[in-house]
Amino acid sequence: EVQLVQSGAEIKKAGESLKISCKTSGYSFTGYWIAWVRQMPGRGLEWMGIIYPGDSDTRYNPSFQGQVTISADKSISTAYLQWGSLKASDTAMYYCARHQGLEDGYNFDYWGQGALVTVSS
Amino acid sequence: QSALTQPPSASGSPGQSVTISCTGTSSDVGGYTYVSWYQQYPGKAPKLVIYEVFKRPSGVPDRFFGSKSGNTASLTISGLQAEDEADYYCCSYAGNTNFEIFGTGTKVTVL
Repeated sequence: EVQLVQSGAEIKKAGESLKISCKTSGYSFTGYWIAWVRQMPGRGLEWMGIIYPGDSDTRYNPSFQGQVTISADKSISTAYLQWGSLKASDTAMYYCARHQGLEDGYNFDYWGQGALVTVSS
Repeated sequence: QSALTQPPSASGSPGQSVTISCTGTSSDVGGYTYVSWYQQYPGKAPKLVIYEVFKRPSGVPDRFFGSKSGNTASLTISGLQAEDEADYYCCSYAGNTNFEIFGTGTKVTVL
């Protein structure tokens, strides 16, 4: 069974750093892209960026480039999203999602449960 | 690149049909057949209900129907049921540089 299990809720102060995780199981971690999606309170979904753990190829939405870093550790089938210096505007729910390639219809077929990040100013 | 445009809300009575539009450009929705739709209940992760414009993943009822014309994709839910009340988001491939774009989201209410 494919599973994506995210780390828990975080409460941080502006200026602090943070790294949240997405541990996967039930499939070949290196064979699928993993994306991160932001959902600010009461707002829609935003595609932040994506990584292919097989070769660490990483792409970012220009709106998030330089603001976050996406990485992956093949040895433990886990993807990460990190911030060097949080802002209050980073307060949101963050989802990881497995991405199927063009040959499988190009979609997010499995999602993590979400990680709520709250940043106080 | 801007989000795809969806109506903020749509509604219908049980048993009726509701259609949600998703308007983009020739660089995303109009240029590719990779449009997907996601259902999201409050406080829950999104769930894939349609991919490649009209295909349904295993387990998704055939009441969910996807289509596309030009730069606009649509999701139709027929035979509305109370459990269909949720937020729905479209998503389109936008080329190798931009990867993917989500729609603004539509709240479906079952009256």
